[in-house]
Amino acid sequence: GQQLNQSPQSMFIQEGEDVSMNCTSSSIFNTWLWYKQDPGEGPVLLIALYKAGELTSNGRLTAQFGITRKDSFLNISASIPSDVGIYFCAGRGGYSGGSNYKLTFGKGTLLTVNP
Amino acid sequence: IAGITQAPTSQILAAGRRMTLRCTQDMRHNAMYWYRQDLGLGLRLIHYSNTAGTTGKGEVPDGYSVSRANTDDFPLTLASAVPSQTSVYFCASSDSAGANVLTFGAGSRLTVL
Repeated sequence: GQQLNQSPQSMFIQEGEDVSMNCTSSSIFNTWLWYKQDPGEGPVLLIALYKAGELTSNGRLTAQFGITRKDSFLNISASIPSDVGIYFCAGRGGYSGGSNYKLTFGKGTLLTVNP
Repeated sequence: IAGITQAPTSQILAAGRRMTLRCTQDMRHNAMYWYRQDLGLGLRLIHYSNTAGTTGKGEVPDGYSVSRANTDDFPLTLASAVPSQTSVYFCASSDSAGANVLTFGAGSRLTVL
């Protein structure tokens, strides 16, 4: 099946620093998504990207859909303690009804923010 | 509050025992999913259901079964639990099979001894 390589696996930063994480795939995706999982909860969608080259912001978060359609990155500016959690990229390729249409999740980036 | 309810929150289970994790949603979503989350492996899809009455296998279906008798409920059953099934299990739903906004439950932590 399709696999996503997400990096880094973990990050430990100081409050106020900027953060960058990325996802790459050997397959082309038509949709890239970024989810965040707070401790003890399920993941929640942060940003969805639908077009190669697309750059989308959501507050302090910015994400881009790579031009090759095989990668995406997420940036967090001026981190705060509540940014702590696991960030997952997810991709969807193929077409509705196809075998590879289901969402594929990366392994996650664990972010720790030191106040 | 609309959303997904999972039960139990946590459970310790002896190997070989049968276990059913319950999942109920009140959003009238058509599609539902079961994922397991393991350290270093992220979220892996176990089974899914695009609509009531249909189910499909995900990435890691072995040892698990599901049913979708109605829109709201999507139980996950471990017929004979093994230690490798120790994990945190998340149920999720979406408006349709192709929707990108998945609503996740809070998870069920299962330990198989």
